[in-house]
Amino acid sequence: AQSVTQLGSHVSVSEGALVLLRCNYSSSVPPYLFWYVQYPNQGLQLLLKYTTGATLVKGINGFEAEFKKSETSFHLTKPSAHMSDAAEYFCAVRGNNAGNMLTFGGGTRLMVKP
Amino acid sequence: IAGITQAPTSQILAAGRRMTLRCTQDMRHNAMYWYRQDLGLGLRLIHYSNTAGTTGKGEVPDGYSVSRANTDDFPLTLASAVPSQTSVYFCASSSGSGTGYTFGSGTRLTVV
Repeated sequence: AQSVTQLGSHVSVSEGALVLLRCNYSSSVPPYLFWYVQYPNQGLQLLLKYTTGATLVKGINGFEAEFKKSETSFHLTKPSAHMSDAAEYFCAVRGNNAGNMLTFGGGTRLMVKP
Repeated sequence: IAGITQAPTSQILAAGRRMTLRCTQDMRHNAMYWYRQDLGLGLRLIHYSNTAGTTGKGEVPDGYSVSRANTDDFPLTLASAVPSQTSVYFCASSSGSGTGYTFGSGTRLTVV
């Protein structure tokens, strides 16, 4: 069984400020972890993923996330927010054995203030 | 451009009517999925197919059916629509467990 909790359904930051979106997961097997972004009226787009190897992963648009096994976390960060980062962000977990589906968190809506 | 095509993009449907949401991919991915997205609930899996000819139930399968006659197509059918099926529906596909999913642009369905 697996689950994802995203703390904060809405996060607001000023342009240029640090972005931190929190994600905690549970998984009975070593996880694969993903962050997706959804812009208004669009589908989900993969931002970054962790499968194996380096625990700090870099994605598109300057985002990165760190897999911390001891904390069962995969928080998403970006040093400096842009107005174009305003969107909904979803964390997802998938077990690394055959047949396991992606399980999504409830999403966090990021708002960027000028 | 390779990807997933969903149709229609939006639909208003009378309760009790039958509706099929279409999903086609051109990436030759083995696995395909249907999710519904509702405010505050994230995405919930309705049905999935690991390969052509096989399907399985997800978290919220009631009221929905799917078929997978070939690799490319994965239609979702609502046999008799109810207002609680008002949602945005996303089709997705995957080539393997470490690759994540590719999503379509979604179908916004309103059942009245």
